[in-house]
Amino acid sequence: TQLLEQSPQFLSIQEGENLTVYCNSSSVFSSLQWYRQEPGEGPVLLVTVVTGGEVKKLKRLTFQFGDARKDSSLHITAAQPGDTGLYLCAGLDGSSNTGKLIFGQGTTLQVKP
Amino acid sequence: NAGVMQNPRHLVRRRGQEARLRCSPMKGHSHVYWYRQLPEEGLKFMVYLQKENIIDESGMPKERFSAEFPKEGPSILRIQQVVRGDSAAYFCASSQLRDGYTFGSGTRLTVV
Repeated sequence: TQLLEQSPQFLSIQEGENLTVYCNSSSVFSSLQWYRQEPGEGPVLLVTVVTGGEVKKLKRLTFQFGDARKDSSLHITAAQPGDTGLYLCAGLDGSSNTGKLIFGQGTTLQVKP
Repeated sequence: NAGVMQNPRHLVRRRGQEARLRCSPMKGHSHVYWYRQLPEEGLKFMVYLQKENIIDESGMPKERFSAEFPKEGPSILRIQQVVRGDSAAYFCASSQLRDGYTFGSGTRLTVV
């Protein structure tokens, strides 16, 4: 069974600080996605990483896929209150070829002004 | 196209009643996925459907839960004889090529 472990589970920081969220697994994923979810809404896709070692940047967000495609990280520079939300990583389940995603348990980020 | 539409947004049912959750995928999307989310947790896969076919239901409880995606109309997730443990947010996602998901806003089911 493929599992994704996210850490930390909760993070409360001041505006302007940097942070990193980690997503780890013992399994290899063909691709990995990061989502952000706000209360009462569905997850919104931020990025998909496919190639081992890949780095993608989205404004102040930097996403990295591990060389072995078993882990990923999300780094936010100079966090703002608008970054507050639940961040989820999700790996594409390669064992079933049905496109289903395996989600980590999420990281709840609170950025205080 | 307003994206993936789920209704109702909130649903309250008494124990033993039936819950019907509806999902209209994005126009042109033929793949529908249902996920369940408990508070402060990630999403758990339930079922994957294409038009008129259930492709993968490995995440569905064996009893009381069923799903369909008819030729015409929305996909339906049905929960019979609901229990308190069924209280959760249920999300539908659609895609065209089994990746690049778009999620709906979810249905929050509360069983009282």
